[in-house]
Amino acid sequence: TQLLEQSPQFLSIQEGENLTVYCNSSSVFSSLQWYRQEPGEGPVLLVTVVTGGEVKKLKRLTFQFGDARKDSSLHITAAQTGDTGLYLCAALSGTYKYIFGTGTRLKVLA
Amino acid sequence: EAGVAQSPRYKIIEKRQSVAFWCNPISGHATLYWYQQILGQGPKLLIQFQNNGVVDDSQLPKDRFSAERLKGVDSTLKIQPAKLEDSAVYLCASSLDRQGGEQYFGPGTRLTVT
Repeated sequence: TQLLEQSPQFLSIQEGENLTVYCNSSSVFSSLQWYRQEPGEGPVLLVTVVTGGEVKKLKRLTFQFGDARKDSSLHITAAQTGDTGLYLCAALSGTYKYIFGTGTRLKVLA
Repeated sequence: EAGVAQSPRYKIIEKRQSVAFWCNPISGHATLYWYQQILGQGPKLLIQFQNNGVVDDSQLPKDRFSAERLKGVDSTLKIQPAKLEDSAVYLCASSLDRQGGEQYFGPGTRLTVT
């Protein structure tokens, strides 16, 4: 069974702080996505990374795909209360099946 | 563009009862997914349809869960009979095709089995 482990599981920080969350696996994936999910809603796609070593930036969010395509990280600079939510990584297994990670629940305090 | 619609939003049933969830995907999306998300965990794929055919149902508990996608559009997911451990949020998602593109999720149905 392929597993995507995310760490940390929970994170509570003050507004303005930086943070990094990780998504790790022993398997190689063709692509990896990051989603954010707010309470009572479905996950919303933030980014897709497909090339080993790829770095993508989305405003204050920086996403990196590991060189070996087994891991990824999400770095948030100067966190805001609006960044609060559940962050999920999802990897494409084979050609069509998505496997979701265990999730990191982030709370940004004002 | 209208998003993925799901109903009901909340459902409370007793164990051994039956329940059905409905999903209307984004128009033109060929692929439809049903996920189960237990509190504090990531979504787990239950079944994936490509048009009205099943692509993957390897994690669907087929002794109690069933799903169909008639005419390749709307889909229903049924649980019969429900168990306590089925308490979860059931998410429906759709994508244009099955080749790893963006999935668009509905708001989910929160099921509580008592």
